[in-house]
Amino acid sequence: QSVLTQPPSASGTPGQRVTISCSGSSSNIGSNSVNWYQQVPGTAPKLLIYSNNQRPSGVPDRFSGSKSGTSASLAISGPQSEDEADYYCATWDDSLNGGVFGGGTQLTVL
Amino acid sequence: EVQLVESGGGLVQPGRSLRLSCVASGFTFDDYAMHWVRQAPGKGLEWVSGISWNSGTIHYADSVKGRFTISRDNAKDSLYLQMNSLRAEDMALYYCAKDAFSGNLGSDTFDIWGQGTMVTVS
Repeated sequence: QSVLTQPPSASGTPGQRVTISCSGSSSNIGSNSVNWYQQVPGTAPKLLIYSNNQRPSGVPDRFSGSKSGTSASLAISGPQSEDEADYYCATWDDSLNGGVFGGGTQLTVL
Repeated sequence: EVQLVESGGGLVQPGRSLRLSCVASGFTFDDYAMHWVRQAPGKGLEWVSGISWNSGTIHYADSVKGRFTISRDNAKDSLYLQMNSLRAEDMALYYCAKDAFSGNLGSDTFDIWGQGTMVTVS
């Protein structure tokens, strides 16, 4: 059971906007910024969004992040076939004094 | 090229020990906190442990506390994870990860990851 809660799967077509939610608590998302990682099967995770809504250099602008209270979300506007991957939210937990991840969401592009 | 390369994984019996290593290159190692993150086969990511730039602050996940020890040698640009009393549930791919911005612990922002080293407990 992960500290952060994500839906196990999400899907969408290239013409749609897909959102992935991440729910936490006051000791993690409520107190710290949220990061998102993309993991293509068989490869290491890649930082996709940091500080709730910032994109590292090279990440397409179809990816965006937001946070409100103890929840966060990742949006993909017009997902492409290469976006099929697992997506993880992550943050620091002040009560646990450690990093915490969501269980991951597998994205399928229809 | 900024890079992290892990080693030391392998097959080990339950109750035995293993030491993982991670060598960094392409950045100033002692400017950044470093972490270990693991992924059991077919499962999600789990943060294991983190260490500040000067080893002054160290934290562990409850699942490994008292059994695992993280350390670093800034002179060798290296991070380590000593794993004792290994259990079946410790079997995973272990990633070394660099903090994106800080030498201190307190974020889960990892901008550089290694390729991982597999630990099999059986």
